[in-house]
Amino acid sequence: DAKTTQPPSMDCAEGRAANLPCNHSTISGNEYVYWYRQIHSQGPQYIIHGLKNNETNEMASLIITEDRKSSTLILPHATLRDTAVYYCIVRYTSGTYKYIFGTGTRLKVLA
Amino acid sequence: DAGVTQSPTHLIKTRGQHVTLRCSPISGHKSVSWYQQVLGQGPQFIFQYYEKEERGRGNFPDRFSARQFPNYSSELNVNALLLGDSALYLCASSLGDIGEQYFGPGTRLTVT
Repeated sequence: DAKTTQPPSMDCAEGRAANLPCNHSTISGNEYVYWYRQIHSQGPQYIIHGLKNNETNEMASLIITEDRKSSTLILPHATLRDTAVYYCIVRYTSGTYKYIFGTGTRLKVLA
Repeated sequence: DAGVTQSPTHLIKTRGQHVTLRCSPISGHKSVSWYQQVLGQGPQFIFQYYEKEERGRGNFPDRFSARQFPNYSSELNVNALLLGDSALYLCASSLGDIGEQYFGPGTRLTVT
């Protein structure tokens, strides 16, 4: 199965923008990119998703490259509560529906 | 509105035993997915059910099975438990078979 790849960890100063990259080089034309985050061992929390166009909601912005092989999640003003593991997911549809979580990026927001 | 609920919260079983985990989706959601999360790793997809039919299956052995009931709640069954089945089992629901998923708090299964 194709995978997403993410850096294992990142630090960000409180109040600054956090930019979390994800590579999904084998993504197909009708496959969406989703972002979730997980705090401690709680269930993952949905953040945002997109297909081709950039997306923004109250939590974050999602920038998808024109070739769709990578994306970046942007937390515009990171707070300490944003410290979590962030997962990039591509919903693959190779015959059956599959949701493949990436390795995740452990974001630490520093005071 | 209540979120996704899972039961039990924690469970300890012995190798070779069978376990049933339960999930109630958000009201109005018709799809339920199951994931296994081993400590230190990301969630691994096990099953997705939509309108009581299996729509997706991950790379798990036949010891793992699931079903969805008419009220859209779901059960995950694991037979012949192995030590390696110790994990956090997550359930997620969504309105349809695609779209954002909302996760429950998980069931922590320990196999001894």
